[in-house]
Amino acid sequence: QIQLVQSGPELKKPGESVKISCKASGYTFTDYAMNWVKQAPGNGLKWMGWINTQTGKPTYADDFKQRFVFSLETSASTAYLQINNLNIEDTATYFCTRPTDYWGQGVMVTVSS
Amino acid sequence: DVVLTQTPPTLLATIGQSVSISCRSSQSLLHSNGNTYLNWLLQRTGQSPQPLIYLVSKLESGVPNRFSGSGSGTDFTLKISGVEAEDLGVYYCMQFTHYPLTFGSGTKLEIK
Repeated sequence: QIQLVQSGPELKKPGESVKISCKASGYTFTDYAMNWVKQAPGNGLKWMGWINTQTGKPTYADDFKQRFVFSLETSASTAYLQINNLNIEDTATYFCTRPTDYWGQGVMVTVSS
Repeated sequence: DVVLTQTPPTLLATIGQSVSISCRSSQSLLHSNGNTYLNWLLQRTGQSPQPLIYLVSKLESGVPNRFSGSGSGTDFTLKISGVEAEDLGVYYCMQFTHYPLTFGSGTKLEIK
């Protein structure tokens, strides 16, 4: 069956970086774009952008054009989200998703001094 | 960006009651190709969102038929005909007719 399995929770300090993974299985990885969605504690869902899994070209929503990097390891059917220079407002759960049908379980990233 | 306004923000229902959630868009969601890309999702506490309905009214596989979607243009509705305990959580509408993809603010369904 189709699954998107994400890496585990992260605790980071302000200014550090984090890289979270999303491993896809059960389908051909390059047939579907991978999207990323942020959910701050107690808040709703915010679309961060997507990456073309055939070309590797990322597209970032306006609020995520600085410090955020989408990447791929196609041979491993894995997508990555890296966040650089973390700040307190980055504390959130991050989902990888094919938003119309499949979602990862989410990764809680906590930024605290 | 397209703003999706959901009402009510919170819904308190008894088991068996029928309820409706509204999602109003700041722009028409009718795409030039004739499709309307308005979906509904349910996020249970501590879980990732689960797609329920796509293209306004089509049920995802495995979703009970007590869920139904309707609407067009800028006004959309999710109806649950006979709420069950497992239906509690936060419901979101989502559009991707227009870039960027946007979500509604959510409606929390609580069971009395």
